[in-house]
Amino acid sequence: NAGVTQTPKFRVLKTGQSMTLLCAQDMNHEYMYWYRQDPGMGLRLIHYSVGEGTTAKGEVPDGYNVSRLKKQNFLLGLESAAPSQTSVYFCASTHSRGAGFNEQFFGPGTRLTVL
Amino acid sequence: GQQLNQSPQSMFIQEGEDVSMNCTSSSIFNTWLWYKQDPGEGPVLLIALYKAGELTSNGRLTAQFGITRKDSFLNISASIPSDVGIYFCAGRPNGSGNTGKLIFGQGTTLQVKP
Repeated sequence: NAGVTQTPKFRVLKTGQSMTLLCAQDMNHEYMYWYRQDPGMGLRLIHYSVGEGTTAKGEVPDGYNVSRLKKQNFLLGLESAAPSQTSVYFCASTHSRGAGFNEQFFGPGTRLTVL
Repeated sequence: GQQLNQSPQSMFIQEGEDVSMNCTSSSIFNTWLWYKQDPGEGPVLLIALYKAGELTSNGRLTAQFGITRKDSFLNISASIPSDVGIYFCAGRPNGSGNTGKLIFGQGTTLQVKP
């Protein structure tokens, strides 16, 4: 199993450009999450999904959109990138019940710089 | 929103020393998790705790779910250079519903001098 994978690993954007970050998991997890990590700020939840076709806002959703068209994929979009969105983005997933519920598995991250 | 206070923010220790860090909250949590993040990587789960008072070990790591359900502790014994990284606590607040959402601490950066 690959676990949680993220593409791309690195990206540099100019202000105003758009891009989509892809997260894929092969563990049949129902729940998926997007976080951003900034120095001294820990992990902050951007958006999350509790199932295919459903999404919800997290702590810092402004400037981002998400889609969960397939159970194994969770996409994070930036429509018009801003320098404040320079960060490391992590995707995570977990089961919805049973053993291991709440134990989120993380991807390797995408390092995004917006100039 | 809810916050977790994790301390210390950073530690610089000698190889072989023991390490202690903790996480506290103003509200009750049902689950406590401890993660480690190596430089340039994503967080990796170390220990999960589900019951108040629970003490769980993973090799040289031991974590405890506080009796009050408002805190958790992580100890690392006999530190080695590969223990270097950022350690995060995370928890699921009581009454947070069935979304699996976690609250994360701000992390403890550990550096080990050989």
